[in-house]
Amino acid sequence: DPKIIQKPKYLVAVTGSEKILICEQYLGHNAMYWYRQSAKKPLEFMFSYSYQKLMDNQTASSRFQPQSSKKNHLDLQITALKPDDSATYFCASSHRRGADEQYFGPGTRLTVL
Amino acid sequence: GDQVEQSPSALSLHEGTGSALRCNFTTTMRAVQWFQQNSRGSLINLFYLASGTKENGRLKSTFNSKESYSTLHIRDAQLEDSGTYFCAAEAVGSNAKLTFGKGTKLSVKS
Repeated sequence: DPKIIQKPKYLVAVTGSEKILICEQYLGHNAMYWYRQSAKKPLEFMFSYSYQKLMDNQTASSRFQPQSSKKNHLDLQITALKPDDSATYFCASSHRRGADEQYFGPGTRLTVL
Repeated sequence: GDQVEQSPSALSLHEGTGSALRCNFTTTMRAVQWFQQNSRGSLINLFYLASGTKENGRLKSTFNSKESYSTLHIRDAQLEDSGTYFCAAEAVGSNAKLTFGKGTKLSVKS
């Protein structure tokens, strides 16, 4: 059974719209993260959460808003979508934040037209 | 500049042979992870090291924090080893942020 679930697997959106990417982990971890992989850049860190609290934000834009409704959930809301937002978004988790192995979900591949 | 420099960017091996991938770091790292990204795009955990060497089957990885590098050795390569390999490291004081290398695209041929 998959331990980190991301939904949807593929997502197509139009410029200017808003989408929510879902992530749930069943590893009992306390820290969760979002990373992004695009054609132009290597995998890059976006956010870290620990016990449902935002700990680090490396995104330059407020259009990206993580949301944690439960300890094992960390969704990512993206507003005013742009073609440059096209990427695969990976959710990850670890038992604790820092100095601990991170495990990645299968990713959501977002295409913005 | 890039904190994680990964080489080579591409590698072609015949089945049964081996090689090494390397990551050099330009800042002090507290831990490194190695991943394989398969054809479906999934990131598969290979190793997590805070120091020293670990081995798992045909794979062996070393992390030397003092000398700022990590290596991944693949021996007896198999077709299913094809994919892109990434190192990712956590810098001291980075609060769990993993910085990824640009990846090594490995092709194993029969």
